[in-house]
Amino acid sequence: GDSVTQMEGPVTLSEEAFLTINCTYTATGYPSLFWYVQYPGEGLQLLLKATKADDKGSNKGFEATYRKETTSFHLEKGSVQVSDSAVYFCALSDWGTNAGKSTFGDGTTLTVKP
Amino acid sequence: DVKVTQSSRYLVKRTGEKVFLECVQDMDHENMFWYRQDPGLGLRLIYFSYDVKMKEKGDIPEGYSVSREKKERFSLILESASTNQTSMYLCASSSTGGNQPQHFGDGTRLSIL
Repeated sequence: GDSVTQMEGPVTLSEEAFLTINCTYTATGYPSLFWYVQYPGEGLQLLLKATKADDKGSNKGFEATYRKETTSFHLEKGSVQVSDSAVYFCALSDWGTNAGKSTFGDGTTLTVKP
Repeated sequence: DVKVTQSSRYLVKRTGEKVFLECVQDMDHENMFWYRQDPGLGLRLIYFSYDVKMKEKGDIPEGYSVSREKKERFSLILESASTNQTSMYLCASSSTGGNQPQHFGDGTRLSIL
């Protein structure tokens, strides 16, 4: 079945540092890939997505490129801020999957210190 | 913007009680989902629904049931609450299609005493 493996956390960075959170996946069909972010006390919200190979999703300074050859979708940001402190989830949704179910990674907690 | 509203942010119930968690979405989405989120275990799918009155079990349906009588509303029912059901519960909705993201509510933190 489908699976998503995320870089284990927690990750602690200083403000303005470069961020990478690794995500790799296995899927039998043609998945779309997503990054969600969960701020303290809130639900998950979509950060960015990519629907086919070589697509780049971007939002709020975050980027991720859908790499089919390495089955990866790593999240990057050039300069993190304290306000980026949150839990980040990588997820996939397979075209062949019933009802738009998604498979989520376990989440990576990011803490950014001033 | 899509809004997914969960009826309670915090709920405290007693062992053996029947507990109802309600979720409403305002974007006419076909699909709705219930997850629980526990530290170190990520998100686990309890049940989902792809149409009114339709439901399918997720990964951990034991001890839970669901109801979807109207398209916008999806209820999670704990038939006889137990302490191991203390958790954060998240509702989500999405439109049909594998490339559609899910939209989440803010969660209900449920404590069973």
